[in-house]
Amino acid sequence: TQLLEQSPQFLSIQEGENLTVYCNSSSVFSSLQWYRQEPGEGPVLLVTVVTGGEVKKLKRLTFQFGDARKDSSLHITAAQPGDTGLYLCAGAQYSSASKIIFGSGTRLSIRP
Amino acid sequence: GAVVSQHPSWVICKSGTSVKIECRSLDFQATTMFWYRQFPKKSLMLMATSNEGSKATYEQGVEKDKFLINHASLTLSTLTVTSAHPEDSSFYICSATPGTSGTYNEQFFGPGTRLTVL
Repeated sequence: TQLLEQSPQFLSIQEGENLTVYCNSSSVFSSLQWYRQEPGEGPVLLVTVVTGGEVKKLKRLTFQFGDARKDSSLHITAAQPGDTGLYLCAGAQYSSASKIIFGSGTRLSIRP
Repeated sequence: GAVVSQHPSWVICKSGTSVKIECRSLDFQATTMFWYRQFPKKSLMLMATSNEGSKATYEQGVEKDKFLINHASLTLSTLTVTSAHPEDSSFYICSATPGTSGTYNEQFFGPGTRLTVL
């Protein structure tokens, strides 16, 4: 079983639509990261959230860390084909500042 | 800054042979490096944590005698897949962190190595 569950697993939507990806756990994390990965490449960090309830914006992407630091969401406004990819959340636990556990992943496809 | 490279980017080998993958931090010293494997359409699974000059810490279910990790310097870690079999075929990704913060130390990821065992 995955410590961090993402939903949905797959999402295919039309260009211009909005979407939200969820990352849930029963564990508390000291910080949580969101990555985007293209096929055949390593993951690229999008954002790190540290404070419970924190909201960060990156252009059309909005990231939120749950108040209890157990969950997070990624909202994309007006999705574009360039947003296509595998989105991964990853949590750092208090027991280790460096070690992170990846979520199950959400594969996003934006149709032109 | 904060670039991590992997070599090779892809490798094909015969069953029973050993394959070595290198992970280098190009512009910083990495106190800790991590090795992940990723199966098609799946997420990254942590295999082991490697600290310079000490033995690697393996995650549950990862065979340490099969996946040999050497972190000989602050800029290089190697993963050797010994006696590789087709089920070892996967995408192997390393990451490195300078490890300067007590709260969270960002990991910088390499581009991955695609291993295919025939």
